[in-house]
Amino acid sequence: DTEVTQTPKHLVMGMTNKKSLKCEQHMGHRAMYWYKQKAKKPPELMFVYSYEKLSINESVPSRFSPECPNSSLLNLHLHALQPEDSALYLCASSQDVGSGAYEQYFGPGTRLTVT
Amino acid sequence: KQEVTQIPAALSVPEGENLVLNCSFTDSAIYNLQWFRQDPGKGLTSLLLIQSSQREQTSGRLNASLDKSSGRSTLYIAASQPGDSATYLCAGINNAGNMLTFGGGTRLMVKP
Repeated sequence: DTEVTQTPKHLVMGMTNKKSLKCEQHMGHRAMYWYKQKAKKPPELMFVYSYEKLSINESVPSRFSPECPNSSLLNLHLHALQPEDSALYLCASSQDVGSGAYEQYFGPGTRLTVT
Repeated sequence: KQEVTQIPAALSVPEGENLVLNCSFTDSAIYNLQWFRQDPGKGLTSLLLIQSSQREQTSGRLNASLDKSSGRSTLYIAASQPGDSATYLCAGINNAGNMLTFGGGTRLMVKP
């Protein structure tokens, strides 16, 4: 099973709301990722978690707050977003990080609209 | 900084044609290269992962090659089908194995 699940599929939120995106994998992977994808653009890396520790933050604004409660779950907490944050948010996982052939597996994404 | 470029940006072919999608990268420090497929509004499906020690990988009608010295990878699709219509993305994996840098993608349309 190479499935990464994400909830919700769609989310509409106002600029003063607080919401969370959830990602789950049961492949025993130790690395998890958040990407942001705008329309007709490639995904851009936001965060990397390795062994439940944040290892990379690609200068993401603090209105996005990641959390990794355990090795299977990854959350992205959203607060005071701007309309330009509307995008497809993708979660991915890989067996590990480091110099190895670690394929990344992606979830279906959450389509976020900020009004 | 790694830059990944895909040519062409869009491609339309009749069903049954063999086709080649191109991917080039600026930094030979790329470790592995992964090809993905993305249907409109959906997530990414991993197609092939080519390790730095390999030159090519095959899966069904797909064959991907990697030439680090020239900074190029190609995805060959044999006997294309309408169901192959999607955006194809290549992504280079850095030496630390924790970052994918994506190309802009090739939007493929296979016409019946």
